[in-house]
Amino acid sequence: DAGITQSPRHKVTETGTPVTLRCHQTENHRYMYWYRQDPGHGLRLIHYSYGVKDTDKGEVSDGYSVSRSKTEDFLLTLESATSSQTSVYFCAISESNPGGNIYGYTFGSGTRLTVV
Amino acid sequence: GEDVEQSLFLSVREGDSSVINCTYTDSSSTYLYWYKQEPGAGLQLLTYIFSNMDMKQDQRLTVLLNKKDKHLSLRIADTQTGDSAIYFCAERGNTGTASKLTFGTGTRLQVTL
Repeated sequence: DAGITQSPRHKVTETGTPVTLRCHQTENHRYMYWYRQDPGHGLRLIHYSYGVKDTDKGEVSDGYSVSRSKTEDFLLTLESATSSQTSVYFCAISESNPGGNIYGYTFGSGTRLTVV
Repeated sequence: GEDVEQSLFLSVREGDSSVINCTYTDSSSTYLYWYKQEPGAGLQLLTYIFSNMDMKQDQRLTVLLNKKDKHLSLRIADTQTGDSAIYFCAERGNTGTASKLTFGTGTRLQVTL
C-alpha cells in the first residue's frame, strides 16, 4: 500500500482522554490526509497536510488536531476523546505522475478507535 | 460544498453484470474514482477516470462518465462472489490546495449464487 503504515490498528480509550494516531509513509509523498469512516457517511476529511508543518482543516475537524514535523509522519490527535469520535480512521497519501499532477490516492489499513 | 451520492445497496446474481451509479455536484471535478472496501479492510483503488474522458475500460470494469449530468457509473462484468464489497465513488475537485477527495456514502454490493 505505497508504504503507508497506521498505528495502532485498534484502540479502546476512555472519554476525556487524549489519543494520538500515527500515519507513517516511506515514499516521500508531499500530501497526506486523515479521514474518518462512519456508516451512512462514507469517508469524511478531518485534516490534511501539504508539506512539513503545513496543515489545513477538512470538513469534520472539530475536536481534532494534527501535526507534521517530518515528511514521513502525520499525527492525528483527539484532544479529549468523546463517544462521537468512535470511528475507523484512515490515513491517505496522494500520488503524482512524473509531471507532478496528482492522479491517485492510496489509503492505509485503518485504525479502529472505540471511545467508551 | 461538494456532494457525492450513491445508492446504498445492490444485489446481483453471480455471472450477471453489476452497475453502480454515482452523482456528484462539483462541476470543477478533475478526476473521479472508484474504490472497493472488503469487510474489515482499507480502501483499494479500482480505477479512476479523468474528467475529459467519457469511458474507461479495464478488464471486467467499465467506467462511464456523463459530465453534463454529473453522473458516474461502474459496470462490473461477470460479477463474482469475490466482488462482494462496498464500493465508493469519490471526486477530486480543482479548488484550493491538496486537491481533496470527496466520497459518496458507498454502495454495498451483494453477489448471490
